[in-house]
Amino acid sequence: SQTIHQWPATLVQPVGSPLSLECTVEGTSNPNLYWYRQAAGRGLQLLFYSVGIGQISSEVPQNLSASRPQDRQFILSSKKLLLSDSGFYLCAWGGQPNTGELFFGEGSRLTVL
Amino acid sequence: AQSVTQLGSHVSVSEGALVLLRCNYSSSVPPYLFWYVQYPNQGLQLLLKYTSAATLVKGINGFEAEFKKSETSFHLTKPSAHMSDAAEYFCAVGGNTDKLIFGTGTRLQVFP
Repeated sequence: SQTIHQWPATLVQPVGSPLSLECTVEGTSNPNLYWYRQAAGRGLQLLFYSVGIGQISSEVPQNLSASRPQDRQFILSSKKLLLSDSGFYLCAWGGQPNTGELFFGEGSRLTVL
Repeated sequence: AQSVTQLGSHVSVSEGALVLLRCNYSSSVPPYLFWYVQYPNQGLQLLLKYTSAATLVKGINGFEAEFKKSETSFHLTKPSAHMSDAAEYFCAVGGNTDKLIFGTGTRLQVFP
């Protein structure tokens, strides 16, 4: 069966420090992958999605970037964190073609101080 | 373009009472509609989905939702709330891809 994992689960970082959040999927190949951010009272905001290795689409201009170095690996990064980058980051993959259903990881909670 | 509006950021019910969480959508293409549930500090899990088949959709944990095109609504209901239903619920809309647009969520509280 397919699984999706994110790490670290929690992270406290100072303003101006770098960030790397990792997401990996197992049990499937060539999945569509997504990064969402959940901020208090703002629901889920789609940040990036990827349909294949090296293919990244950004949904909103921001301080973050994403990369997909391997088929089942999706990384969210920042060179210098801002206070506004705090939030709960969720990785997801599209389980089956053309069904619209997403499967989510456990999330990574980032606090920027 | 697609969007979702969830009416009410917080809903409180007594245990055993009816649960009704409201969702209205906007879509320029036939929509796929979803309800997801999120327990504290966890990811989202799918409750149910509408993908142009039956308009009344049954999901896990006794939840169901009805697609009403004339009202552009996809409200989530459960006849009798349980304490374990306390969570945040998200409505989402998509087309025939898995790029979903989520609502801002409704936090459900259940009182004994």
